Amino acid sequence: DSGVTQTPKHLITATGQRVTLRCSPRSGDLSVYWYQQSLDQGLQFLIQYYNGEERAKGNILERFSAQQFPDLHSELNLSSLELGDSALYFCASSVVASSNEQFFGPGTRLTVL
Amino acid sequence: DAKTTQPPSMDCAEGRAANLPCNHSTISGNEYVYWYRQIHSQGPQYIIHGLKNNETNEMASLIITEDRKSSTLILPHATLRDTAVYYCIVRVFRDDKIIFGKGTRLHILP
Repeated sequence: DSGVTQTPKHLITATGQRVTLRCSPRSGDLSVYWYQQSLDQGLQFLIQYYNGEERAKGNILERFSAQQFPDLHSELNLSSLELGDSALYFCASSVVASSNEQFFGPGTRLTVL
Repeated sequence: DAKTTQPPSMDCAEGRAANLPCNHSTISGNEYVYWYRQIHSQGPQYIIHGLKNNETNEMASLIITEDRKSSTLILPHATLRDTAVYYCIVRVFRDDKIIFGKGTRLHILP
């Protein structure tokens, strides 16, 4: 158990819908990262927040957005969902913005029908 | 894009040492070699990292060649629980993001 929690574990929705994925980092960690893992693209970095501020951006679509709240939990919002958005979405956290080790949560499996 | 090349899959007998190779011929002087693993769709797990010296921790050993163009992760006594995808990653020290490649799927055979 990494100490990072993600909800929900599974999510099934339809194309065109909007969903919100939630992540609670390890206690004391200020930085949160989001990754997407799909069969064809593998594990891809989406975005990072540090202490409430966006710090780094990767291959995140404009239909996706994220934020980190004052209590340090983070949410990833996915809108206008397409079939290709079906994937595992992982959240990771680390103590500082740049850390050797990121601790990954168990993931949210999103299925878009 | 990932800067590493790994074999897509490997087998190892339980109890033996598992040696996972990684090529990173374009590694820069300020880049470290990191290893993570992912057990069956769980979140990836950090294993070890190094710059140029060999490193060892409770999970594994990392051997980096003198020219730093390749490395080997060694699991000294593989168990069935070590069955996973192992990712070799080249990363600027403490860079914000991790760029994952395709990794090596390690099968531990009973």
